[in-house]
Amino acid sequence: KAGVTQTPRYLIKTRGQQVTLSCSPISGHRSVSWYQQTPGQGLQFLFEYFSETQRNKGNFPGRFSGRQFSNSRSEMNVSTLELGDSALYLCASSLVGEGNNEQFFGPGTRLTVL
Amino acid sequence: AQSVTQLGSHVSVSEGALVLLRCNYSSSVPPYLFWYVQYPNQGLQLLLKYTTGATLVKGINGFEAEFKKSETSFHLTKPSAHMSDAAEYFCAVSRNSGYSTLTFGKGTMLLVSP
Repeated sequence: KAGVTQTPRYLIKTRGQQVTLSCSPISGHRSVSWYQQTPGQGLQFLFEYFSETQRNKGNFPGRFSGRQFSNSRSEMNVSTLELGDSALYLCASSLVGEGNNEQFFGPGTRLTVL
Repeated sequence: AQSVTQLGSHVSVSEGALVLLRCNYSSSVPPYLFWYVQYPNQGLQLLLKYTTGATLVKGINGFEAEFKKSETSFHLTKPSAHMSDAAEYFCAVSRNSGYSTLTFGKGTMLLVSP
């Protein structure tokens, strides 16, 4: 069974631009979560989608948004990029998104904002 | 709100020595507990998890952890370190009901010397 895939793996943008990251979950998984990883703040939860609905959201500004499609694939978008948005963005999928479900992580997208 | 504290941002051991990585959590009710490992330029891989039942949990690659409710701890151990264990380790918690959102500790980098 294929794992979680994320595209692109690396991305370089300039301040003020917007970016879209993509995540394909493991087949059959309906929950997709996004996390931001930085050296200073560590791993922080962005949002979770289940059956095309945002079910939970972390403490990030409205510039960060996402969506989920009917095939469970998910995208996240960051508008008006800031230098501080440089990070590794990780996507994780789980069967139904319950607390005891294992989350399977993708390799991440490394975003650099210049 | 939940929080996770990992004592020591870096831990150094010699090959063959005992590995002990510490994790304490703060939660109003006992959460689900996880240990993940991250190798360079990769996503996170689940080592083990505690949800219910036996408090000593065995995971992959010879790792195990013990849930101690009275100490609010979930320390990770391995009897004998291998060079291949060098990586960053994250302790995480999720609520024991509802969503699978993970709250992570800051991580501990394990260094293994020959």
